Amino acid sequence: AQKVTQAQTEISVVEKEDVTLDCVYETRDTTYYLFWYKQPPSGELVFLIRRNSFDEQNEISGRYSWNFQKSTSSFNFTITASQVVDSAVYFCALSDMDSNYQLIWGAGTKLIIKP
Amino acid sequence: EADIYQTPRYLVIGTGKKITLECSQTMGHDKMYWYQQDPGMELHLIHYSYGVNSTEKGDLSSESTVSRIRTEHFPLTLESARPSHTSQYLCASSVPRGGRTDTQYFGPGTRLTVL
Repeated sequence: AQKVTQAQTEISVVEKEDVTLDCVYETRDTTYYLFWYKQPPSGELVFLIRRNSFDEQNEISGRYSWNFQKSTSSFNFTITASQVVDSAVYFCALSDMDSNYQLIWGAGTKLIIKP
Repeated sequence: EADIYQTPRYLVIGTGKKITLECSQTMGHDKMYWYQQDPGMELHLIHYSYGVNSTEKGDLSSESTVSRIRTEHFPLTLESARPSHTSQYLCASSVPRGGRTDTQYFGPGTRLTVL
Protein backbone atom coordinates (compact mmCIF):
# COMPACT_ATOMS: atom_id res chain seq x y z
CA ALA A 1 0.00 0.00 0.00
CA GLN A 2 1.09 3.54 -0.56
CA LYS A 3 2.46 5.53 2.30
CA VAL A 4 4.17 8.85 2.94
CA THR A 5 6.29 9.30 6.04
CA GLN A 6 7.42 12.63 7.40
CA ALA A 7 9.34 11.52 10.44
CA GLN A 8 10.07 15.03 11.71
CA THR A 9 7.03 16.24 13.61
CA GLU A 10 8.51 19.62 14.42
CA ILE A 11 11.73 21.42 13.57
CA SER A 12 12.91 24.65 15.12
CA VAL A 13 15.83 26.65 13.74
CA VAL A 14 17.15 30.16 14.00
CA GLU A 15 16.64 32.51 11.08
CA LYS A 16 19.23 32.23 8.28
CA GLU A 17 19.99 28.61 9.06
CA ASP A 18 19.45 26.00 6.35
CA VAL A 19 16.88 23.34 7.11
CA THR A 20 15.89 20.08 5.40
CA LEU A 21 12.48 18.46 5.68
CA ASP A 22 12.45 14.74 5.05
CA CYS A 23 9.88 12.79 3.07
CA VAL A 24 9.98 9.05 2.45
CA TYR A 25 7.35 7.35 0.30
CA GLU A 26 6.20 3.84 -0.55
CA THR A 27 4.51 2.81 -3.79
CA ARG A 28 4.37 -0.22 -6.06
CA ASP A 29 3.74 1.83 -9.17
CA THR A 30 6.48 2.89 -11.53
CA THR A 31 4.57 6.02 -12.50
CA TYR A 32 3.79 8.30 -9.61
CA TYR A 33 3.88 11.93 -8.57
CA LEU A 34 5.27 13.63 -5.51
CA PHE A 35 4.19 16.96 -4.10
CA TRP A 36 5.09 19.46 -1.42
CA TYR A 37 2.58 21.90 0.06
CA LYS A 38 3.01 24.69 2.58
CA GLN A 39 0.36 25.56 5.17
CA PRO A 40 1.05 28.85 6.94
CA PRO A 41 -0.78 29.78 10.16
CA SER A 42 -3.60 31.33 8.11
CA GLY A 43 -4.60 27.78 7.14
CA GLU A 44 -4.64 27.66 3.36
CA LEU A 45 -2.56 25.01 1.58
CA VAL A 46 -0.12 26.41 -0.94
CA PHE A 47 1.21 24.18 -3.70
CA LEU A 48 5.00 24.28 -3.94
CA ILE A 49 6.13 21.58 -6.34
CA ARG A 50 5.05 18.50 -8.29
CA ARG A 51 7.57 15.96 -9.50
CA ASN A 52 6.93 12.84 -11.57
CA SER A 53 8.76 9.57 -11.04
CA PHE A 54 10.63 9.77 -14.33
CA ASP A 55 12.27 13.06 -13.55
CA GLU A 56 14.96 12.67 -10.89
CA GLN A 57 16.54 16.00 -11.61
CA ASN A 58 16.79 18.12 -8.51
CA GLU A 59 14.83 21.36 -8.54
CA ILE A 60 15.78 24.76 -7.22
CA SER A 61 13.45 27.69 -6.85
CA GLY A 62 15.01 30.64 -5.07
CA ARG A 63 15.79 29.54 -1.52
CA TYR A 64 13.87 26.30 -1.96
CA SER A 65 15.36 23.10 -3.36
CA TRP A 66 14.13 19.54 -3.67
CA ASN A 67 16.19 16.37 -3.76
CA PHE A 68 14.39 13.40 -5.34
CA GLN A 69 16.15 10.06 -4.90
CA LYS A 70 14.35 6.98 -6.17
CA SER A 71 17.04 4.69 -4.73
CA THR A 72 16.01 5.71 -1.21
CA SER A 73 12.37 6.59 -2.02
CA SER A 74 12.90 10.07 -0.70
CA PHE A 75 11.84 13.52 -1.79
CA ASN A 76 13.47 15.93 0.64
CA PHE A 77 12.92 19.67 0.77
CA THR A 78 15.61 22.15 1.77
CA ILE A 79 15.15 25.80 2.65
CA THR A 80 18.36 27.80 2.44
CA ALA A 81 18.85 30.87 4.61
CA SER A 82 15.51 30.39 6.34
CA GLN A 83 13.29 33.34 7.15
CA VAL A 84 10.55 33.83 9.73
CA VAL A 85 7.98 33.81 6.92
CA ASP A 86 8.95 30.21 6.19
CA SER A 87 7.33 29.17 9.47
CA ALA A 88 4.51 26.81 8.50
CA VAL A 89 3.47 23.19 8.39
CA TYR A 90 4.86 21.47 5.30
CA PHE A 91 3.16 18.45 3.80
CA CYS A 92 4.58 15.91 1.40
CA ALA A 93 2.13 13.88 -0.71
CA LEU A 94 2.12 11.07 -3.25
CA SER A 95 -0.30 10.13 -6.03
CA ASP A 96 -0.17 6.99 -8.13
CA MET A 97 -2.38 4.68 -10.14
CA ASP A 98 -3.11 2.50 -7.10
CA SER A 99 -4.60 5.48 -5.33
CA ASN A 100 -6.46 6.45 -8.49
CA TYR A 101 -4.29 9.55 -8.40
CA GLN A 102 -5.79 10.74 -5.12
CA LEU A 103 -3.22 12.33 -2.86
CA ILE A 104 -1.72 10.22 -0.09
CA TRP A 105 -0.59 12.71 2.53
CA GLY A 106 2.21 12.70 5.04
CA ALA A 107 1.45 13.85 8.56
CA GLY A 108 3.26 17.14 8.03
CA THR A 109 6.30 18.78 9.58
CA LYS A 110 5.86 21.94 11.59
CA LEU A 111 8.73 24.31 10.88
CA ILE A 112 9.44 27.10 13.33
CA ILE A 113 11.89 29.78 12.33
CA LYS A 114 13.01 31.88 15.28
CA PRO A 115 14.22 35.44 14.72
CA GLU B 1 -2.33 30.87 -9.31
CA ALA B 2 -5.48 29.00 -8.33
CA ASP B 3 -8.91 30.59 -8.24
CA ILE B 4 -10.84 28.63 -5.70
CA TYR B 5 -13.11 30.24 -3.16
CA GLN B 6 -14.67 29.10 0.07
CA THR B 7 -17.32 30.78 2.16
CA PRO B 8 -17.70 31.41 4.97
CA ARG B 9 -14.10 31.59 6.19
CA TYR B 10 -15.19 31.25 9.81
CA LEU B 11 -18.44 29.88 11.21
CA VAL B 12 -19.57 29.46 14.80
CA ILE B 13 -22.87 27.67 15.12
CA GLY B 14 -24.98 25.87 17.68
CA THR B 15 -25.56 22.14 17.87
CA GLY B 16 -28.31 20.82 15.64
CA LYS B 17 -28.14 23.53 13.01
CA LYS B 18 -27.98 22.74 9.31
CA ILE B 19 -25.02 24.32 7.54
CA THR B 20 -23.68 24.48 4.02
CA LEU B 21 -20.08 25.25 3.25
CA GLU B 22 -19.61 26.75 -0.18
CA CYS B 23 -16.77 26.03 -2.59
CA SER B 24 -16.38 27.44 -6.09
CA GLN B 25 -13.59 27.36 -8.63
CA THR B 26 -13.18 29.29 -11.87
CA MET B 27 -10.49 27.12 -13.45
CA GLY B 28 -12.79 24.70 -15.23
CA HIS B 29 -11.41 21.81 -13.18
CA ASP B 30 -13.29 18.53 -13.37
CA LYS B 31 -12.17 17.06 -10.05
CA MET B 32 -13.05 18.60 -6.73
CA TYR B 33 -12.37 17.49 -3.16
CA TRP B 34 -13.30 18.17 0.44
CA TYR B 35 -10.83 17.56 3.24
CA GLN B 36 -11.25 17.78 6.98
CA GLN B 37 -8.26 18.87 9.02
CA ASP B 38 -7.62 19.77 12.62
CA PRO B 39 -5.19 22.73 12.63
CA GLY B 40 -1.72 21.70 11.49
CA MET B 41 -2.62 18.03 11.54
CA GLU B 42 -3.03 15.41 8.84
CA LEU B 43 -5.55 15.98 6.04
CA HIS B 44 -8.42 13.55 5.69
CA LEU B 45 -10.34 13.22 2.42
CA ILE B 46 -14.08 13.14 3.12
CA HIS B 47 -15.64 13.64 -0.34
CA TYR B 48 -14.59 14.00 -3.95
CA SER B 49 -16.13 14.40 -7.37
CA TYR B 50 -14.94 13.56 -10.86
CA GLY B 51 -17.36 15.97 -12.48
CA VAL B 52 -21.00 17.00 -12.70
CA ASN B 53 -23.36 14.51 -11.01
CA SER B 54 -20.42 12.53 -9.62
CA THR B 55 -19.82 12.30 -5.87
CA GLU B 56 -17.76 9.78 -3.91
CA LYS B 57 -16.98 9.26 -0.25
CA GLY B 58 -13.39 9.62 0.85
CA ASP B 59 -11.26 7.72 3.31
CA LEU B 60 -12.68 9.37 6.42
CA SER B 61 -16.27 8.63 7.21
CA SER B 62 -18.25 11.83 7.44
CA GLU B 63 -21.83 12.72 8.26
CA SER B 64 -21.71 15.46 5.67
CA THR B 65 -23.08 15.27 2.13
CA VAL B 66 -22.03 16.95 -1.09
CA SER B 67 -23.51 17.73 -4.47
CA ARG B 68 -22.08 18.61 -7.87
CA ILE B 69 -24.71 20.12 -10.09
CA ARG B 70 -22.35 22.56 -11.78
CA THR B 71 -18.71 22.08 -12.67
CA GLU B 72 -17.59 25.10 -10.71
CA HIS B 73 -19.59 24.50 -7.52
CA PHE B 74 -19.13 21.77 -4.86
CA PRO B 75 -21.02 22.59 -1.64
CA LEU B 76 -20.79 20.51 1.52
CA THR B 77 -23.79 20.20 3.84
CA LEU B 78 -24.12 19.11 7.46
CA GLU B 79 -27.77 18.41 8.26
CA SER B 80 -27.29 18.60 12.02
CA ALA B 81 -24.03 20.05 13.28
CA ARG B 82 -22.39 18.58 16.39
CA PRO B 83 -19.35 19.64 18.44
CA SER B 84 -17.43 16.69 16.92
CA HIS B 85 -17.73 18.47 13.55
CA THR B 86 -15.56 21.31 14.80
CA SER B 87 -12.61 21.42 12.41
CA GLN B 88 -11.19 23.12 9.35
CA TYR B 89 -12.71 22.15 6.01
CA LEU B 90 -10.58 22.57 2.92
CA CYS B 91 -11.86 22.44 -0.65
CA ALA B 92 -9.57 21.65 -3.58
CA SER B 93 -9.79 21.13 -7.30
CA SER B 94 -7.60 19.58 -9.98
CA VAL B 95 -7.49 18.53 -13.64
CA PRO B 96 -8.68 21.05 -16.18
CA ARG B 97 -11.14 19.64 -18.71
CA GLY B 98 -9.08 17.63 -21.17
CA GLY B 99 -5.99 18.02 -19.03
CA ARG B 100 -3.92 15.47 -17.18
CA THR B 101 -2.29 17.09 -14.20
CA ASP B 102 -3.57 16.04 -10.82
CA THR B 103 -2.07 18.90 -8.89
CA GLN B 104 -4.67 19.94 -6.34
CA TYR B 105 -5.21 23.62 -5.66
CA PHE B 106 -6.80 24.60 -2.40
CA GLY B 107 -9.21 27.22 -1.23
CA PRO B 108 -8.58 29.25 1.93
CA GLY B 109 -10.62 26.89 4.10
CA THR B 110 -13.59 27.23 6.43
CA ARG B 111 -12.98 27.02 10.17
CA LEU B 112 -16.10 25.57 11.72
CA THR B 113 -16.85 25.66 15.43
CA VAL B 114 -19.94 23.93 16.72
CA LEU B 115 -20.92 24.87 20.25
